[in-house]
Amino acid sequence: QKEVEQDPGPLSVPEGAIVSLNCTYSNSAFQYFMWYRQYSRKGPELLMYTYSSGNKEDGRFTAQVDKSSKYISLFIRDSQPSDSATYLCAMSARGNQFYFGTGTSLTVIP
Amino acid sequence: NAGVTQTPKFQVLKTGQSMTLQCAQDMNHEYMSWYRQDPGMGLRLIHYSVGAGITDQGEVPNGYNVSRSTTEDFPLRLLSAAPSQTSVYFCASRKGLNNEKLFFGSGTQLSVL
Repeated sequence: QKEVEQDPGPLSVPEGAIVSLNCTYSNSAFQYFMWYRQYSRKGPELLMYTYSSGNKEDGRFTAQVDKSSKYISLFIRDSQPSDSATYLCAMSARGNQFYFGTGTSLTVIP
Repeated sequence: NAGVTQTPKFQVLKTGQSMTLQCAQDMNHEYMSWYRQDPGMGLRLIHYSVGAGITDQGEVPNGYNVSRSTTEDFPLRLLSAAPSQTSVYFCASRKGLNNEKLFFGSGTQLSVL
């Protein structure tokens, strides 16, 4: 079983839609949860960072962590064509290595 | 701040050739690492370093060497390139092992023929 599972998509939505991206994980020691955005032929850039359970909001982006279900989500409100990218989830236990999902490809259609 | 800088951006090698991928960061980060990204496999850790003079293996270290003589630089060496090493390589750094914000370079696309 992989440490982190992420649906690869692809996901295609109309501009203005709410997007939901998800990952599940198996290691209950994970405490740090990240979402990275990766544009084509670019390096991943850190989008959201959450410690432990709960929600974190940053503009149009909301990250949710449910440790009891080992499930994390990223919501994008009012999606824009510029949000078209691959979204990677990542997680770690403190002081340890990161584990990445395989990424979900998102296209927002104008 | 330039962040994490990788060179070259693209490289084509023949089987058996050797080369070095360069990585430099100007954020005074202690921790540096190399990942490879393959379709359907996600990012996999090759080697990492928690400070100058200290390196360790990650998930997929075979066929790669690293060294860390300065805080800023962390080159990745392919000793004898194989087609299985065709991939996109990313260097990433963070302030320390206990800081969870990892910053990536723009990547090197490597093809081994």
